[in-house]
Amino acid sequence: AQSVTQLDSHVSVSEGTPVLLRCNYSSSYSPSLFWYVQHPNKGLQLLLKYTSAATLVKGINGFEAEFKKSETSFHLTKPSAHMSDAAEYFCVVTPFSGGYNKLIFGAGTRLAVHP
Amino acid sequence: EPEVTQTPSHQVTQMGQEVILRCVPISNHLYFYWYRQILGQKVEFLVSFYNNEISEKSEIFDDQFSVERPDGSNFTLKIRSTKLEDSAMYFCASTGTSASTDTQYFGPGTRLTVL
Repeated sequence: AQSVTQLDSHVSVSEGTPVLLRCNYSSSYSPSLFWYVQHPNKGLQLLLKYTSAATLVKGINGFEAEFKKSETSFHLTKPSAHMSDAAEYFCVVTPFSGGYNKLIFGAGTRLAVHP
Repeated sequence: EPEVTQTPSHQVTQMGQEVILRCVPISNHLYFYWYRQILGQKVEFLVSFYNNEISEKSEIFDDQFSVERPDGSNFTLKIRSTKLEDSAMYFCASTGTSASTDTQYFGPGTRLTVL
């Protein structure tokens, strides 16, 4: 069975400091992994995705994530937080199941950015 | 940029009433999905739809739920007799030619409140 664990429900950083949002996954197959972001009253927007190419994935707005198979992790990072990064972040796995792949979401991490 | 749209943004209904949530996926997409997020909980997969039929559904998607693509643009979720526990944010998503590798694009959601 596939699952995702986001290790922190809330993360608070100061503007200009690094961001680290942690995610561990469990998958029987070679997974595809994603990070989505949800700003208040908005839909879910894709930040980045890993689909078995390069293990370091760069996304939008300066975010990146590294796939580490040995650690079953896919942590999201950003060197310098901006106020506009405050949002809910979801780590997502999709198991390969023949084409109609549902997304399995983690519980989410709420990122707060302080001036 | 093409986007998934959903209407209404907020629906309030009485328990036992039928509701229809509407989605317009991105026009050239072939795979369609519904997810829901109960307040404070994870985003959960409900159903996927391809080639005018359900391709996968979760345990949540019981006989009270149905989906339909009534024309070439709309994708609807019907709840036949709503329960209090159906109160949630419902997200529609769509993806392109290959569900195993393509990104799922989400709409802004419909907040359903069952009284």
